[in-house]
Amino acid sequence: KQEVTQIPAALSVPEGENLVLNCSFTDSAIYNLQWFRQDPGKGLTSLLLIQSSQREQTSGRLNASLDKSSGRSTLYIAASQPGDSATYLCAVLNAGGTSYGKLTFGQGTILTVHP
Amino acid sequence: KAGVTQTPRYLIKTRGQQVTLSCSPISGHRSVSWYQQTPGQGLQFLFEYFSETQRNKGNFPGRFSGRQFSNSRSEMNVSTLELGDSALYLCASSVTGVKNTEAFFGQGTRLTVV
Repeated sequence: KQEVTQIPAALSVPEGENLVLNCSFTDSAIYNLQWFRQDPGKGLTSLLLIQSSQREQTSGRLNASLDKSSGRSTLYIAASQPGDSATYLCAVLNAGGTSYGKLTFGQGTILTVHP
Repeated sequence: KAGVTQTPRYLIKTRGQQVTLSCSPISGHRSVSWYQQTPGQGLQFLFEYFSETQRNKGNFPGRFSGRQFSNSRSEMNVSTLELGDSALYLCASSVTGVKNTEAFFGQGTRLTVV
């Protein structure tokens, strides 16, 4: 059974800092890993998708890496801003025919960036 | 391009009633998945539909059911509501629901059972 863990559970940083969020998963047989952002009471916004054959993806100030063999992914946020404050979730899509459309999520990292 | 649309956004129901939630996926997306999000359990997978067929199901009681129409729109139904069903229900759409496809989520339906 796939289990996804995110560390830290919460993070508070001053504006301008570079930061790293961590995600680990127990079963390395995955199709892809996705990072999402969720604002309070809202839906999930997709930030980055990393396919199993890729090592990293970049979008603006965000960079996500994937080490499938060790079951780890990191999300790097450069020059953090107050608007980055949200909950960040990572999710994996397991390989195999029984995993259609089923993302397994971590519990999330609550990020607060203060001015 | 319109995103994933969920209706209604908020619902208040009484224990024992039933409820139907709707999800319209992104145009061209044929896979729709449903999730329940609660503070204690996080995001849990309910089921997935593709071309009107349920391909995958999570560990939820039979009170939770769904269906998908020929235009890929999906509905989920919860019968005999319990207080513990109070949650944010999210749907996600993707092109195929399998490898290399990105999942996009709607804004959710907040269900409160009183």
